[in-house]
Amino acid sequence: TQLLEQSPQFLSIQEGENLTVYCNSSSVFSSLQWYRQEPGEGPVLLVTVVTGGEVKKLKRLTFQFGDARKDSSLHITAAQPGDTGLYLCAGAGRSNDYKLSFGAGTTVTVRA
Amino acid sequence: ETGVTQTPRHLVMGMTNKKSLKCEQHLGHNAMYWYKQSAKKPLELMFVYSLEERVENNSVPSRFSPECPNSSHLFLHLHTLQPEDSALYLCASSQGKQAYEQYFGPGTRLTVT
Repeated sequence: TQLLEQSPQFLSIQEGENLTVYCNSSSVFSSLQWYRQEPGEGPVLLVTVVTGGEVKKLKRLTFQFGDARKDSSLHITAAQPGDTGLYLCAGAGRSNDYKLSFGAGTTVTVRA
Repeated sequence: ETGVTQTPRHLVMGMTNKKSLKCEQHLGHNAMYWYKQSAKKPLELMFVYSLEERVENNSVPSRFSPECPNSSHLFLHLHTLQPEDSALYLCASSQGKQAYEQYFGPGTRLTVT
């Protein structure tokens, strides 16, 4: 099992502030995904990164894959209450492997 | 219906009951998954079906029994569960080589009394 550690575990910020969530591992991943999960719902896929050093932007969210493909970060600019949720990172060990290793998640709360 | 649906959304059962969870995907995918999500723990992969064949069984106790009658439907049959089996059970699906891009249902919140 390839372990993914997410930090911080909890994050509470004021609307308009910026935040960064980290996802780290000692293992190399062929791809890494970020999901957001709201209470009472399943995780929703936000983005997939596959190339070391890749940066992807989704509106106010910026995702980066580490050069060595062992870590990733999610940065939210000018956070809004709608960004509140559990953010999960997940890594695939091989491109044709069905297994995803999930981190335990970061709970983000954005106060209005 | 669109995406991945799961029923029931909530289930309370005694340790001697038998119940089944149902998942249906409307995305045309060919792989389906069962995960267990417990508080403060990473998602635990339980079973994977690809083209209706089980390709992964992560040392799950036999009180959990999966069934995949076709590529759109997945069941999880439950019997003689324990209180520690209380959790959110999530179904997901994916397509072919992009198996890492999984699409989840809303989950079934299971409570075992």
